[in-house]
Amino acid sequence: DGGITQSPKYLFRKEGQNVTLSCEQNLNHDAMYWYRQDPGQGLRLIYYSQIVNDFQKGDIAEGYSVSREKKESFPLTVTSAQKNPTAFYLCASSIDTRATDTQYFGPGTRLTVL
Amino acid sequence: KNQVEQSPQSLIILEGKNCTLQCNYTVSPFSNLRWYKQDTGRGPVSLTIMTFSENTKSNGRYTATLDADTKQSSLHITASQLSDSASYICVVSARGGYQKVTFGTGTKLQVIP
Repeated sequence: DGGITQSPKYLFRKEGQNVTLSCEQNLNHDAMYWYRQDPGQGLRLIYYSQIVNDFQKGDIAEGYSVSREKKESFPLTVTSAQKNPTAFYLCASSIDTRATDTQYFGPGTRLTVL
Repeated sequence: KNQVEQSPQSLIILEGKNCTLQCNYTVSPFSNLRWYKQDTGRGPVSLTIMTFSENTKSNGRYTATLDADTKQSSLHITASQLSDSASYICVVSARGGYQKVTFGTGTKLQVIP
């Protein structure tokens, strides 16, 4: 069953704690992305990776970090430096980063900071 | 600055009726426009993609149109079903060495029996 998975579905964190969101894909895609979705706003790009061991900052990278040690995995760490971390986080992948490549999204992780 | 604006913000229609959602954009240089469907609490799923030379694309009961001159797109849903209740997001990509996309804020559609 091919696809992109994210875990956990819901995550609660206390202020000042770092937390890592998991994203795995078995689509053999080179490119992977992390987006943040807030009510009333369009998806905003946090980080993207075109290939293993390489990643680039998106529009709102401050307070976040990523790694891409394996093609299948692109975990996102939300650090304590992120001022407003409560949001719905979406991971996506595509064959490459060409504009015509369709991005396939995971089911999302809803992070709530208590 | 690249922008994508969608209207209306929300819409309620009766099951079986048709509806049209609008998308205006100011993305340059234009590469393609997609419509995504996002069920509540889930990730978006691509419905259609149109490039500059295409002015209409269908996917079942969904028909998207594109006017590249006026930078407008619409998504028409025919004979709506309860399962069409979702947010519909317009996404416009610019040409470049890497994928650069701008997401609209979406139209939340509710289909009621």
